[in-house]
Amino acid sequence: DAKTTQPPSMDCAEGRAANLPCNHSTISGNEYVYWYRQIHSQGPQYIIHGLKNNETNEMASLIITEDRKSSTLILPHATLRDTAVYYCIVRVPYSGGGADGLTFGKGTHLIIQP
Amino acid sequence: NAGVTQTPKFRILKIGQSMTLQCTQDMNHNYMYWYRQDPGMGLKLIYYSVGAGITDKGEVPNGYNVSRSTTEDFPLRLELAAPSQTSVYFCASSLTSSGGLGNRETQYFGPGTRLLVL
Repeated sequence: DAKTTQPPSMDCAEGRAANLPCNHSTISGNEYVYWYRQIHSQGPQYIIHGLKNNETNEMASLIITEDRKSSTLILPHATLRDTAVYYCIVRVPYSGGGADGLTFGKGTHLIIQP
Repeated sequence: NAGVTQTPKFRILKIGQSMTLQCTQDMNHNYMYWYRQDPGMGLKLIYYSVGAGITDKGEVPNGYNVSRSTTEDFPLRLELAAPSQTSVYFCASSLTSSGGLGNRETQYFGPGTRLLVL
C-alpha cells in the first residue's frame, strides 16, 4: 500500500466546508484512494473512495489531483457530529486469493467548532 | 439491515480466562475481519475470512482463534486471556463485488467490544 501523509489535526467552523488533504505521492496506477472516519469510541465508518475521477456521495466529495499524488476530502457543511479522526488509505483492492486488512495510519483529527 | 453487530459491548476478564467475542452481519458479505485497536493506535488485523469454512491469519493472530461456519457469523475466541489483550476489538465485513473493483474494499465495521484483562 502506498504511504499517505495527513495533517495530525484541523479545526473547522460548524456549517462551513471542511477540506481534509492527503498526500500520496507514491501511488501506483491500480491503487484506489479510500477515506474512512472514526468517531470517538465507535468503529470506523466508510466515507468514499475513488481511482482518478472526482467522486461525490451523500456524505462527502473526493477530489483527486490529475497526477493522483494528492487528494482532498470535502465535507460540504460540517456539523458537530463530523468531529472524528479521518483516515486516508491508498491500496489495491482485493482481487483474489487472500484478503488483507486495511492499514489505518494516524489520520487527521478534525474538530468542528460551534 | 442491522449491519455488523458485536457482543458483548464491554467485558472484564481475569488472566487465564477464556471468552468468545461474537460478530454477525446481515449484509450477505463473504469477507469478514477481526481487528484490534490499542489506545491511541491504528487498527491491526487479527484474522480474516473470505467465506464460510475459510479463515486465515492477519498481522497479530497469536492468542486468538476464529471459525466461520456460516456466512453471517465470525466469532473470535480468546483461550487464555493476558493483559496484553486489553484492547478494543472491531469486526468488519466487506462487499464482495458491486459495480466495480474498488467496491470490494468498502468495509463495514461493528461498534466494537472493549475488553479489559486484569
